[in-house]
Amino acid sequence: ETGVTQSPTHLIKTRGQQVTLRCSSQSGHNTVSWYQQALGQGPQFIFQYYREEENGRGNFPPRFSGLQFPNYSSELNVNALELDDSALYLCASSLGGTAGEKLFFGSGTQLSVL
Amino acid sequence: RKEVEQDPGPFNVPEGATVAFNCTYSNSASQSFFWYRQDCRKEPKLLMSVYSSGNEDGRFTAQLNRASQYISLLIRDSKLSDSATYLCVVPTGGFKTIFGAGTRLFVKA
Repeated sequence: ETGVTQSPTHLIKTRGQQVTLRCSSQSGHNTVSWYQQALGQGPQFIFQYYREEENGRGNFPPRFSGLQFPNYSSELNVNALELDDSALYLCASSLGGTAGEKLFFGSGTQLSVL
Repeated sequence: RKEVEQDPGPFNVPEGATVAFNCTYSNSASQSFFWYRQDCRKEPKLLMSVYSSGNEDGRFTAQLNRASQYISLLIRDSKLSDSATYLCVVPTGGFKTIFGAGTRLFVKA
């Protein structure tokens, strides 16, 4: 086990609603990255938090936002949900805040938007 | 051109076969590379790191060709349990790590 935990494991929402996903990083890791994985695709980078600050973002609109807390756990918030937001959301923790670090993934949150 | 490209497969091979996957990347500045394994709708798990010319771990060999900007993964003596999707991962510098779309492998008895 990686020691990275995500909650909830599954979630069903309707269009226009808002959702918050949570991630606890592995002990000793100060960096959390969030990924969206649609069916049949590879994980797409959403953003990364390093020591409580966003230090990088992929091609996702501002309605995708996040937080990192002093204990390095993190939240992903998505506002105004759209059908295309249905996906597996993966959180990965690492140490160092840079690319090139090994990523340790949680088991993901499966979000369905109806 | 996509930043990271993989043949989606699927590769259907019998047990005991040798199979190889390639992955091409566009960022010539990338220094380290990874192969992750992902079982159906589970989280990706690190399989191998590739920092220089290559790396070997048991039945698995990863190689890097910087001139042609591709990495490869070779699996020898395939097992049923090797059936999975193999993700090529390329850090692009700074904070961003790019995943390929994955190559699906089915190993059959």
